[in-house]
Amino acid sequence: DIQMTQSPSSLSASVGDRVTITCQASQDISNYLNWYQQKPGKAPKLLIYDASNLETGVPSRFSGSGSGTDFTFTISSLQPEDIATYYCQQYDNLPRFTFGPGTKVDIK
Amino acid sequence: QVQLQESGPGLVKPSQTLSLTCTVSGGSISSGSYYWSWIRQPAGKGLEWIGRIYTSGSTNYNPSLKSRVTISVDTSKNQFSLKLSSVTAADTAVYYCARDPTPFGRGGFDPWGQGTLVTVSS
Repeated sequence: DIQMTQSPSSLSASVGDRVTITCQASQDISNYLNWYQQKPGKAPKLLIYDASNLETGVPSRFSGSGSGTDFTFTISSLQPEDIATYYCQQYDNLPRFTFGPGTKVDIK
Repeated sequence: QVQLQESGPGLVKPSQTLSLTCTVSGGSISSGSYYWSWIRQPAGKGLEWIGRIYTSGSTNYNPSLKSRVTISVDTSKNQFSLKLSSVTAADTAVYYCARDPTPFGRGGFDPWGQGTLVTVSS
């Protein structure tokens, strides 16, 4: 099975800061990588699909990049409403889907 | 737009079978090329994909749960269901249903239901 790791596991940043989260796959997954945002008590929300494509309606301060085994998720200017846990998820090895362990983002 | 809603008992006794239903509204479960998935999340932990079904009845399951999971679909009711047998406390989690565009298309799980908490306890 493909294992996903994320770093850091949590971070605190100030409003307006640039925030970067990394996700690493245990083997090459091309760009079959999605990113989700989960706010407390809510279902995850798809933000980015295929590593770098912004889902319709998602603010442009969110972006993703990478391919192969190493991926990056960036919030260009952190806003208070971005407080959440962010998960990466691979779907290269269908029909086995695996999620990363998550990165919790807080306001400093 | 398509919306999903989970329903079912919030409390299940150990060794019994957990049963949940996901009702799809705002569109037909049979229209478009989508699988329909179940995903769970223990409190304070990450997300685990359980399995999925296509409207033809074709299913895929997480190997770690395969022996205990059955997913079925009722197109007449626009619903799909999850059964997880022989539950233990480790199965206590929020259970989500979600739409999956693969393998027909690319992308992620979207939309999701709001989730339902199932507690396994005597």
